[in-house]
Amino acid sequence: DGGITQSPKYLFRKEGQNVTLSCEQNLNHDAMYWYRQDPGQGLRLIYYSQIVNDFQKGDIAEGYSVSREKKESFPLTVTSAQKNPTAFYLCASSADPAGYTFGSGTRLTVV
Amino acid sequence: AQSVTQLGSHVSVSEGALVLLRCNYSSSVPPYLFWYVQYPNQGLQLLLKYTSAATLVKGINGFEAEFKKSETSFHLTKPSAHMSDAAEYFCAVSDNAGNMLTFGGGTRLMVKP
Repeated sequence: DGGITQSPKYLFRKEGQNVTLSCEQNLNHDAMYWYRQDPGQGLRLIYYSQIVNDFQKGDIAEGYSVSREKKESFPLTVTSAQKNPTAFYLCASSADPAGYTFGSGTRLTVV
Repeated sequence: AQSVTQLGSHVSVSEGALVLLRCNYSSSVPPYLFWYVQYPNQGLQLLLKYTSAATLVKGINGFEAEFKKSETSFHLTKPSAHMSDAAEYFCAVSDNAGNMLTFGGGTRLMVKP
């Protein structure tokens, strides 16, 4: 079955460490997105990519980086510059503005 | 620019009562509108979407929503709440230009026995 796989489901980061969240899709979607979810704030867009080898910053890109070397993959790196990284991270993909598929999320905690 | 406002971060209803979750949007172009449900530590599941066809949209689990352009609203309703409906609900808007989803702040629905 087609879908989006996010890994790991839970991730712990030490202060000053970079960590990378994985997002893989086999839906043949061109566009992929990363959202951050905090309690009471809904989902906020971090980065998005509409085509391979191209990506744009969303509303809260500071402290994050991405790459899009393959259509299927859109990994997100949370860098040490992100001062408050504890959150739930959701990856999504779409083939058109009317259809989005979400992964099951990664919960990142700073320890 | 587009934005979404969900009135009421928490809504509590009794089992069997009407569920009404409010969503207002702003968009410079005709929008696509979505309602998603999220259970704890899970991703988002699509309940229903409006894509400029019928203004009354029926979704899964007995939910429906009505697009009202004059009120810029897309409220979600269900005639009779079940305990299993307890979850967080998100309204979202996208347009056919930017191809991005913008979310409201979410509404946590609690269902009392």
